[in-house]
Amino acid sequence: ETGVTQSPTHLIKTRGQQVTLRCSSQSGHNTVSWYQQALGQGPQFIFQYYREEENGRGNFPPRFSGLQFPNYSSELNVNALELDDSALYLCASSTRTFSSTPLHFGNGTRLTVT
Amino acid sequence: SQQGEEDPQALSIQEGENATMNCSYKTSINNLQWYRQNSGRGLVHLILIRSNEREKHSGRLRVTLDTSKKSSSLLITASRAADTASYFCATDADGWSGGGADGLTFGKGTHLIIQP
Repeated sequence: ETGVTQSPTHLIKTRGQQVTLRCSSQSGHNTVSWYQQALGQGPQFIFQYYREEENGRGNFPPRFSGLQFPNYSSELNVNALELDDSALYLCASSTRTFSSTPLHFGNGTRLTVT
Repeated sequence: SQQGEEDPQALSIQEGENATMNCSYKTSINNLQWYRQNSGRGLVHLILIRSNEREKHSGRLRVTLDTSKKSSSLLITASRAADTASYFCATDADGWSGGGADGLTFGKGTHLIIQP
């Protein structure tokens, strides 16, 4: 069983630039969620994708966007980067059922905006 | 915004002792989950307790849930150096796997240090 993998592990960008983060879901999982974790804080929900469509969204502006591909891998895109976007970005996969099941997280991408 | 609040923010104990962490939340939930995070890496799921359950055990972990007080506790017995990590509670109001359209709502975490 392959776990959730994210790339790159670290990234440094300049304010105003755009960034794309990538995630491969755990095999057998059809739902992917993205979270932002600022230093010293808990993860905050950005959005969730199921069947290649956005299934739900947290309190994040439209410059945060995503994609899910037919193989269930996913991308998180952030435009017009701001200094406050510096954080650990976590991808998590699950199987969509009406049954309380946990999330399986990747090790994250550490984004630094200067 | 963060719904859960863990208490204490930091906890340092000797190896072999028990560690207790508490979590309070604000709105009604379908289930509550506990996760562990080592040194800014990914989160690892520890245990899930549904709103109709009061207590759950998994190995050295014991979780309680009091929905009337909107609180939960995580007890780690016979702590080990490898238990050093940050621990987060996360609430799921939706019931769909992984928090559904609303995602999971995490607290700020308790940083646990186990001293050898």
